[in-house]
Amino acid sequence: KAGVTQTPRYLIKTRGQQVTLSCSPISGHRSVSWYQQTPGQGLQFLFEYFSETQRNKGNFPGRFSGRQFSNSRSEMNVSTLELGDSALYLCASSFSQETQYFGPGTRLLVL
Amino acid sequence: GENVEQHPSTLSVQEGDSAVIKCTYSDSASNYFPWYKQELGKGPQLIIDIRSNVGEKKDQRIAVTLNKTAKHFSLHITETQPEDSAVYFCAASSNNNDMRFGAGTRLTVKP
Repeated sequence: KAGVTQTPRYLIKTRGQQVTLSCSPISGHRSVSWYQQTPGQGLQFLFEYFSETQRNKGNFPGRFSGRQFSNSRSEMNVSTLELGDSALYLCASSFSQETQYFGPGTRLLVL
Repeated sequence: GENVEQHPSTLSVQEGDSAVIKCTYSDSASNYFPWYKQELGKGPQLIIDIRSNVGEKKDQRIAVTLNKTAKHFSLHITETQPEDSAVYFCAASSNNNDMRFGAGTRLTVKP
């Protein structure tokens, strides 16, 4: 089976812009979770989608949003980008609510 | 919510020695404890996991132990090799709750 794929792998944006990241889960997995990884804060949970519904949400401002499509692919959007949004954004898919498999991540740099 | 603490933050061992990484968690409802290995430029990879109805699990050179009473779990790597060098993350979750990660341990195995 193909693993979790994320696009794009690298992205450079400027403050105030918005960005959309995409994640394709492992075939058959219906749950997709998003994480932000930074050197200072580690891996922080953004949100989880299951069957097109947001099931859990972390403590991030409303500028961070996501959605899931009927084929389980998911997108996350960050509006009004800030310098502090520079991070590696990781997507993980799972069949159950437990074992999560991560993609390679999208590295976002905000200038 | 769940809080996961991980120690040490860095660990350096000689090739062939053992490495032990420890984590504690706060939520007694947590029942699933995975360990991930993250190499440079890649997403975290699941290496082993344990559920709360099991006290120990082994997979070749890797083992995980869980003490539910004390709320701590540990990763043991025996006969370490240079390719074990990476950042290791522990995590904890319970049914219907998001997964919380430790801050990570950078393991260096010196040849």
